[in-house]
Amino acid sequence: NAGVMQNPRHLVRRRGQEARLRCSPMKGHSHVYWYRQLPEEGLKFMVYLQKENIIDESGMPKERFSAEFPKEGPSILRIQQVVRGDSAAYFCASSPGLAPSTDTQYFGPGTRLTVL
Amino acid sequence: QKEVEQDPGPLSVPEGAIVSLNCTYSNSAFQYFMWYRQYSRKGPELLMYTYSSGNKEDGRFTAQVDKSSKYISLFIRDSQPSDSATYLCALIKAAGNKLTFGGGTRVLVKP
Repeated sequence: NAGVMQNPRHLVRRRGQEARLRCSPMKGHSHVYWYRQLPEEGLKFMVYLQKENIIDESGMPKERFSAEFPKEGPSILRIQQVVRGDSAAYFCASSPGLAPSTDTQYFGPGTRLTVL
Repeated sequence: QKEVEQDPGPLSVPEGAIVSLNCTYSNSAFQYFMWYRQYSRKGPELLMYTYSSGNKEDGRFTAQVDKSSKYISLFIRDSQPSDSATYLCALIKAAGNKLTFGGGTRVLVKP
C-alpha cells in the first residue's frame, strides 16, 4: 500500500512566480492536511480538506495561498507570487476521515520550496 | 507563549542508554497525544498515540501522559544509533482536527 505521495520533492522558484505543490493521499483516505515547516521552526498547520471541501483553513496566510482537493486527482497547494519567506518544507498528511480527532495522520516526504 | 513547549536539544546519549523526551502544554482542551519521529529531510513518522493519562508501551517505546500536569513524555529504551532523529510531540484538541506540534527535540545516539 503506497504511502502519501508528494511532488515535486524539491521546487525552486524566483520571487513573484507561482508554486504548485501536489499531494496524493494514501489509498482509501479522503482527508488531507497541509503543514509547513519553516527553517528552525516546528510544523505548523495550514489547511484541512476533504474531497471538494475546505474544512479548516485557519492556518493559511490570508493572501497568495490557496488549496484544493478535487473529486479526481491530487490535492494542490498553490502559492502565488512567492516571496523568500515562503521558503520552507511543505508536508501533506492524509487520514481515513473516520473521526478527525482520533484518526492517525500519515505524512508524506514533503516538498522543499526554495525561493530565490 | 507557545501552546506546546519542547526542549530543542540536541540530546546526546551513548548507545544502549534510555532517551527521555518531554513536552508541556498549556491548554487543557488537548486530549489526544502523539509522538512522531522525523529523520533529516524526511516526513514525520508516527511512533505512539495515546489519549488517556498513564503509560502506553510499544516495544522499546513508552509514552506517558499526565493530563493534570499537562505534561507528556516519551522514553526510548536500549537506544540505537538508528534512533538518531528529531522527535516531535503532537497534540489534538477534543473535536479538533489539526495537529499542534512541539518544536521537536533532536536526539543523537552515539555508538
